[in-house]
Amino acid sequence: GDQVEQSPSALSLHEGTDSALRCNFTTTMRSVQWFRQNSRGSLISLFYLASGTKENGRLKSAFDSKERRYSTLHIRDAQLEDSGTYFCAAEAPGYQNFYFGKGTSLTVIP
Amino acid sequence: NAGVIQTPRHKVTGKGQEATLWCEPISGHSAVFWYRQTIVQGLEFLTYFRNQAPIDDSGMPKERFSAQMPNQSHSTLKIQSTQPQDSAVYLCASSSPGLSNERLFFGHGTKLSVL
Repeated sequence: GDQVEQSPSALSLHEGTDSALRCNFTTTMRSVQWFRQNSRGSLISLFYLASGTKENGRLKSAFDSKERRYSTLHIRDAQLEDSGTYFCAAEAPGYQNFYFGKGTSLTVIP
Repeated sequence: NAGVIQTPRHKVTGKGQEATLWCEPISGHSAVFWYRQTIVQGLEFLTYFRNQAPIDDSGMPKERFSAQMPNQSHSTLKIQSTQPQDSAVYLCASSSPGLSNERLFFGHGTKLSVL
């Protein structure tokens, strides 16, 4: 079964607004990564977290340090170039590989 | 740093033919991963090498698929007797694991179309 559940599956935002994407895990995870896939199909790494939070410009990600069963990606002041599909990938303890969610398709509209 | 290089970018094969996909990881990265992406299934893990040794191939279809990493500079994914359901974008990623695997860097993928 799916170990990583992403929500929402699709999202439309007006420029300048804020939103959050979420990944829930069916079990405790060791680490999580967030990616954006652009229209050409390239997967760009945004964040890698083993715990806590990281911030880069208008993006901020958090990994629940207590139970390690969810992660969030916050987008502040959304811009047109933020459009794309966002994936989270989680690494279960002992597995050493990453399982991906189904993605969130984000469209930023003027 | 050229990033992860995958060749070819596109490959079209006839049903029953063999397809070999190539991946050159980022220099110095010791872990190489193969994933497959389709609209229906999303991103599926296939297999993973570390220091050229196969670590986990639990995602590989048991028949017709094989992967090798003969040296630290490239890995191949071979599909024998390709079928239409093998059509997908095959993605290779590399990383430089410390205590954990740290971030994955992906290539642009090889789009395989089986007619």
